[in-house]
Amino acid sequence: SQTIHQWPATLVQPVGSPLSLECTVEGTSNPNLYWYRQAAGRGLQLLFYSVGIGQISSEVPQNLSASRPQDRQFILSSKKLLLSDSGFYLCAWKAGGGYEQYFGPGTRLTVT
Amino acid sequence: GEDVEQSLFLSVREGDSSVINCTYTDSSSTYLYWYKQEPGAGLQLLTYIFSNMDMKQDQRLTVLLNKKDKHLSLRIADTQTGDSAIYFCAETDNNDMRFGAGTRLTVKP
Repeated sequence: SQTIHQWPATLVQPVGSPLSLECTVEGTSNPNLYWYRQAAGRGLQLLFYSVGIGQISSEVPQNLSASRPQDRQFILSSKKLLLSDSGFYLCAWKAGGGYEQYFGPGTRLTVT
Repeated sequence: GEDVEQSLFLSVREGDSSVINCTYTDSSSTYLYWYKQEPGAGLQLLTYIFSNMDMKQDQRLTVLLNKKDKHLSLRIADTQTGDSAIYFCAETDNNDMRFGAGTRLTVKP
């Protein structure tokens, strides 16, 4: 069966520091991968998605970036965090041609 | 752009039925989904319905779709305290998936 992992589970970082969040998927090949951000009490905002290695699409302009160095690995990064980057970051995957997205457990990021 | 709207809060008594409503604007939606999010956790896919269906039942969950009015609902029968969570409606046109802001369901004993 398929499993999706995210780490770390929680992170507290000062403003201006770098960020690296990792997401990996097991049990499937060539998944579509997604990064979402959920602000407190809000819905989900799609940040990035990827349909293959090295292929990244960005939905909103921001100081975040994403990379997909391997088929089942998706990384969210920032060179300098802002206070407004605080939130709950969710990674999700979908089988190519499938209709269901499955979510990881999320990373709670607090920028202080 | 396309929107998905949900009411933010719903409170019911244990044992009653809960009905969570959602409206969307994208007429090219192909699948519609209900996700459940418990505190501090990711989203769990509960159920989904293809846009050419009008009802889907899965144990205590019933999904109703009115495609003409672009209205989706989730009915939870015999609601339990463990059903307390945030419920997200989502839809896709096979490209992007769009989510509502979530309905916080509180179940009172």
